[in-house]
Amino acid sequence: GQQVMQIPQYQHVQEGEDFTTYCNSSTTLSNIQWYKQRPGGHPVFLIQLVKSGEVKKQKRLTFQFGEAKKNSSLHITATQTTDVGTYFCRTGSSNTGKLIFGQGTTLQVKP
Amino acid sequence: SQTIHQWPATLVQPVGSPLSLECTVEGTSNPNLYWYRQAAGRGLQLLFYSVGIGQISSEVPQNLSASRPQDRQFILSSKKLLLSDSGFYLCAWSWTVSSYNSPLHFGNGTRLTVT
Repeated sequence: GQQVMQIPQYQHVQEGEDFTTYCNSSTTLSNIQWYKQRPGGHPVFLIQLVKSGEVKKQKRLTFQFGEAKKNSSLHITATQTTDVGTYFCRTGSSNTGKLIFGQGTTLQVKP
Repeated sequence: SQTIHQWPATLVQPVGSPLSLECTVEGTSNPNLYWYRQAAGRGLQLLFYSVGIGQISSEVPQNLSASRPQDRQFILSSKKLLLSDSGFYLCAWSWTVSSYNSPLHFGNGTRLTVT
């Protein structure tokens, strides 16, 4: 079945350091969405990427979709304590159009 | 604007008791509706989704069932809860048109503990 691998599972960084989470697939993806879930909260939609090689930025967050549309990354520059939470990708095969969530990357930021 | 309401926020139920969680959406018509479950520290598992009244698709065999009696109402039920049903239950909606491109908008969730 369709598999989406999200790595790493956990990341602890010092405040001010950068952070990156990756979402990888062996099949071509239709599109990819990124969500953030704060501790104790619900997932909140951040952004969607559709085009090959697409790059979008939201302040300190940079989202990238691979040229082959088989992977994506979320990069946070100079992390802050407000960045703490779990980041999920949601994506799917371009054949099925059905989207599933990655396993999530939990970010801890030490002040 | 669209809003999604989910209740209760927390629930403690004994094993073998019934369950009913309700979710309603305001400000949109004919949304796609979803129930997800998240075990502690884990990912998001899709349980059910609905593209219209009375139309329910089950993603995994469960001790649970879902119903959509009205356009913007989605209910998750169980006749007899198991310990393994404990978790964080999230309702979500998305636009119907080009739904696979539509992002999900989640409710605040219900934390269910089965004792």
